[in-house]
Amino acid sequence: DTAVSQTPKYLVTQMGNDKSIKCEQNLGHDTMYWYKQDSKKFLKIMFSYNNKELIINETVPNRFSPKSPDKAHLNLHINSLELGDSAVYFCASSHGTPNTGELFFGEGSRLTVL
Amino acid sequence: QQQVKQSPQSLIVQKGGISIINCAYENTAFDYFPWYQQFPGKGPALLIAIRPDVSEKKEGRFTISFNKSAKQFSLHIMDSQPGDSATYFCAAGRSGGSNYKLTFGKGTLLTVNP
Repeated sequence: DTAVSQTPKYLVTQMGNDKSIKCEQNLGHDTMYWYKQDSKKFLKIMFSYNNKELIINETVPNRFSPKSPDKAHLNLHINSLELGDSAVYFCASSHGTPNTGELFFGEGSRLTVL
Repeated sequence: QQQVKQSPQSLIVQKGGISIINCAYENTAFDYFPWYQQFPGKGPALLIAIRPDVSEKKEGRFTISFNKSAKQFSLHIMDSQPGDSATYFCAAGRSGGSNYKLTFGKGTLLTVNP
């Protein structure tokens, strides 16, 4: 059983399109995250939800909109895609904060914007 | 402002050798220092973590050394194996109920040659 699963694994799309990435965790965690990993492998947090409440919203363009329908799911919708959005997006989860436990990452969703 | 500086960016080690990756942090409020390991096509996974009440933590071939006064910590991989080839990220965070953010270093690509 995959602990943190993301779909789709790959997205290839044109500039200007809208796309969504879905994430589900079956670990019973109460906190979920979206991280962006660029081509240089730099990992940057984008959003975090705790018990469906937004608690971290880094300086991310408002074209990115996360949605947490319940504690086990955190989706990411991206409007008007730009070339610079090309990256691998990782969903992660933790029980409480990541500073007292472990961050569990999904396998990533590779987004390519042409 | 990069709060966690990691070096080197890449490292090549022969099988059986010692791999050493260094990190330095700026925020003295950080009190949790994990290392994450990422294989190609996978998400990062927690490898080992340390808190500043100890100067060293060892788990198998992996050791974290921590120098609070210098605000530095390092990962040592003894008897490095080809299967250790991966990208390694140091990170730092603050304990406390509302601290959900881990700040990652930029990563070190380790290649262990057979």
